[in-house]
Amino acid sequence: GESVGLHLPTLSVQEGDNSIINCAYSNSASDYFIWYKQESGKGPQFIIDIRSNMDKRQGQRVTVLLNKTVKHLSLQIAATQPGDSAVYFCAENTGNQFYFGTGTSLTVIP
Amino acid sequence: NAGVMQNPRHLVRRRGQEARLRCSPMKGHSHVYWYRQLPEEGLKFMVYLQKENIIDESGMPKERFSAEFPKEGPSILRIQQVVRGDSAAYFCASSPPSGGGNSPLHFGNGTRLTVT
Repeated sequence: GESVGLHLPTLSVQEGDNSIINCAYSNSASDYFIWYKQESGKGPQFIIDIRSNMDKRQGQRVTVLLNKTVKHLSLQIAATQPGDSAVYFCAENTGNQFYFGTGTSLTVIP
Repeated sequence: NAGVMQNPRHLVRRRGQEARLRCSPMKGHSHVYWYRQLPEEGLKFMVYLQKENIIDESGMPKERFSAEFPKEGPSILRIQQVVRGDSAAYFCASSPPSGGGNSPLHFGNGTRLTVT
């Protein structure tokens, strides 16, 4: 399944499928990006980060892709599990501040 | 190795009262950020502090809101004369001394403020 972030804030995928969550960031000067996962009633939890001198970074079951040309960030989750159900935020760093996107709600269907 | 600790988890105040939200950063972290989150929305930056210094308060309302991070003790976000529109979840995050965009923020579980 695939989300276009701000324009499609919800995403439903079957358990075991791959998920793609997209984010368009606003500032071409941003040089550091982070994906966070937020479960209900909790604070955002760090998933993975990437700096602007890279275009791809992989973690455990997650991959972040950065396209600076179109100011686009994506999070790929492999073999999505029910525990992945949450709201996912991208954050861009400019100067002293981290700016957060609206978020995408991911629901995993067993 | 405790994470970012926020208290209280839930706070109920009547209109006109004061709300004090506390945040203890992760051990070794000297940078604190406060964010506000409304239901179904993202996090909005409020203020960035280092010990005894406000670095960036561009997201703070000009009136009724203040923040501090003293040399000893937790960071405090203070809201005076609360109004219903202040009802939200307030999150604190911390980062190590290199902070300011060189490392990820670590978040607490927030304080949910309800103004009645």
